[in-house]
Amino acid sequence: AQSVTQLDSHVSVSEGTPVLLRCNYSSSYSPSLFWYVQHPNKGLQLLLKYTSAATLVKGINGFEAEFKKSETSFHLTKPSAHMSDAAEYFCVVRLPTSNTGKLIFGQGTTLQVKP
Amino acid sequence: GAGVSQTPSNKVTEKGKYVELRCDPISGHTALYWYRQSLGQGPEFLIYFQGTGAADDSGLPNDRFFAVRPEGSVSTLKIQRTERGDSAVYLCASSLRRMAAGGNTGELFFGEGSRLTVL
Repeated sequence: AQSVTQLDSHVSVSEGTPVLLRCNYSSSYSPSLFWYVQHPNKGLQLLLKYTSAATLVKGINGFEAEFKKSETSFHLTKPSAHMSDAAEYFCVVRLPTSNTGKLIFGQGTTLQVKP
Repeated sequence: GAGVSQTPSNKVTEKGKYVELRCDPISGHTALYWYRQSLGQGPEFLIYFQGTGAADDSGLPNDRFFAVRPEGSVSTLKIQRTERGDSAVYLCASSLRRMAAGGNTGELFFGEGSRLTVL
């Protein structure tokens, strides 16, 4: 079975400091992994995706994530947090079977950015 | 509009009532998904349409839930005899399905959701 585990339900950082949101995955296949962001009263937005190309993936708004097969991890990072980064972040794995593209979401991590 | 549109944005109903939630996907997107997001949880898959047909409805919780997409564009999620536990945000997403090695689909674009409250 495929799943993702977000290790922190809530992360608080100061503006200008690094962000680390942790995600571990479980997959019987070579996974496709994503990070989505959800701002209050907004739709989910794709930040970045890993689909077996480069292991270091760069996304929008300065975010990046590194796929580490040996650790089954796909942690999201950003060198310097901005107030506008405050949101809910979801680590997601895509089921490869049946071409449905069905996504399995983690529980989410709330990122708080303090001034 | 350019994005996925969902109506209503908010719906309050009483236990036992019937509810319809509508999704208007991005023009030209053949794949459409419904997800449900309960408070404090990540979205959970409900159903997937490819064109007019439901290609995967394995996420529908029970037979009170049903979805249609009769013309391969707009979709309606229907909930009969609503229960308090149905309260959640119902999300719709669409994608432009691209056939490629491994059958990977394209990026999913999500709407803002319909918040359902069952009293």
